[in-house]
Amino acid sequence: EVQLVESGGGLVQPGGSLRLSCAASGFSVSDNYMTWVRQPPGQGLEWVSVIYTGGATNYAEFVQGRFTISRDNSKNTVYLQMHSLRAEDTAVYYCARDPVQNTGWHTLDSWGQGTLVTVSS
Amino acid sequence: IQMTQSPPSLSAPVGGRVTITCRASQFISTYLNWYQQTPGKAPKLLIYAASNLHSGVPSRFSGSESGTDFTLTITGLQPGDSATYYCQQTYSFPHTFGQGTKVEIK
Repeated sequence: EVQLVESGGGLVQPGGSLRLSCAASGFSVSDNYMTWVRQPPGQGLEWVSVIYTGGATNYAEFVQGRFTISRDNSKNTVYLQMHSLRAEDTAVYYCARDPVQNTGWHTLDSWGQGTLVTVSS
Repeated sequence: IQMTQSPPSLSAPVGGRVTITCRASQFISTYLNWYQQTPGKAPKLLIYAASNLHSGVPSRFSGSESGTDFTLTITGLQPGDSATYYCQQTYSFPHTFGQGTKVEIK
């Protein structure tokens, strides 16, 4: 069974840092594109970042230079390192699998339950 | 690429039909997905490539494309269809989402 479990969220002060983790089971993160999507309270979905199977990465403009996505194949886990956090980064952060390498189409077919990041003093 | 969804919300009776529209700011071919999100839950994939039903999704859900306009139609509405629906373009990164359409079942 495919499962994604995020962790690492919490309360952080503006300007602070946090690292989110997304532990996968039932598939290999290295064989899939892995994506982070966030949702501010009461608002819509925002695409944040992706790591390709080859290890290349891509970011939304609003996190470029502040967030870094990475993965540890041995732990089958994807990370989102967040620096210089702002109040507007407050959101539930979801990780999701994009099986484009197998299907030929970009989709987010499996999602974690999300982890809440609150940026406030 | 900007994705504009309409309407922001709508209401329909059980057994009824709703149509949600998503307009892309530029050509995206059929690189368009639809997701359903119920309160407190993660989104679920409904339709990919504009009109292809994801595994396990009822045939009451359908999608279509006309140029840069995309439509999600739900027929035979059931109480469990109360949710917010999002479109997402996957033509180019960043894979942006629409603002969402909240559907209430009366």
